[in-house]
Amino acid sequence: TQLLEQSPQFLSIQEGENLTVYCNSSSVFSSLQWYRQEPGEGPVLLVTVVTGGEVKKLKRLTFQFGDARKDSSLHITAAQPGDTGLYLCARGGVNSGGYQKVTFGIGTKLQVIP
Amino acid sequence: DTEVTQTPKHLVMGMTNKKSLKCEQHMGHRAMYWYKQKAKKPPELMFVYSYEKLSINESVPSRFSPECPNSSLLNLHLHALQPEDSALYLCASSQAASGSLSYEQYFGPGTRLTVT
Repeated sequence: TQLLEQSPQFLSIQEGENLTVYCNSSSVFSSLQWYRQEPGEGPVLLVTVVTGGEVKKLKRLTFQFGDARKDSSLHITAAQPGDTGLYLCARGGVNSGGYQKVTFGIGTKLQVIP
Repeated sequence: DTEVTQTPKHLVMGMTNKKSLKCEQHMGHRAMYWYKQKAKKPPELMFVYSYEKLSINESVPSRFSPECPNSSLLNLHLHALQPEDSALYLCASSQAASGSLSYEQYFGPGTRLTVT
């Protein structure tokens, strides 16, 4: 089983603060996705990282893929209440039948307090 | 258009009822997925359809029966469910069912199912 660990699992911060969440695995990712999910809604794809050492920016969000492609981080600058949600990392893999499937990490639940 | 739609938004059903969840996408995606998500947990994969054929069934009980009538539609037929089946049911699609593009999934808003 290719487990994905995310940390922290819960994070409550004040508006304007910076934060970083992490996604780690013991095995190499071919690619990794980050999603954000708001309560009662489906996850929304934020970014895909593919190349070791890659950095992608999406407004105040910065995504980094580790050089060894075993870890990734999401950094949010000057967090806003609209950033509140569940942040999920996900990786692709192959199941026992040879079919590709996505596995999600347990998620980081972020609350930004106004 | 990157929208996946799901109906109904909410569903309450008894254990003897038969109901169906519906999902639709018009992005030309060739893979569609059903996930189940319990509170405070990540989505758990149930089924994958690739080119309208069932390619993955993650050992889901037979009281859940998926159907893919065409490349844009995905249904999940429910019968004789248990209270523990109450959850958010998410549909997703991806451009392909293999290769890196299969990992970028677009989710619908989900159906909140309550089994009484």
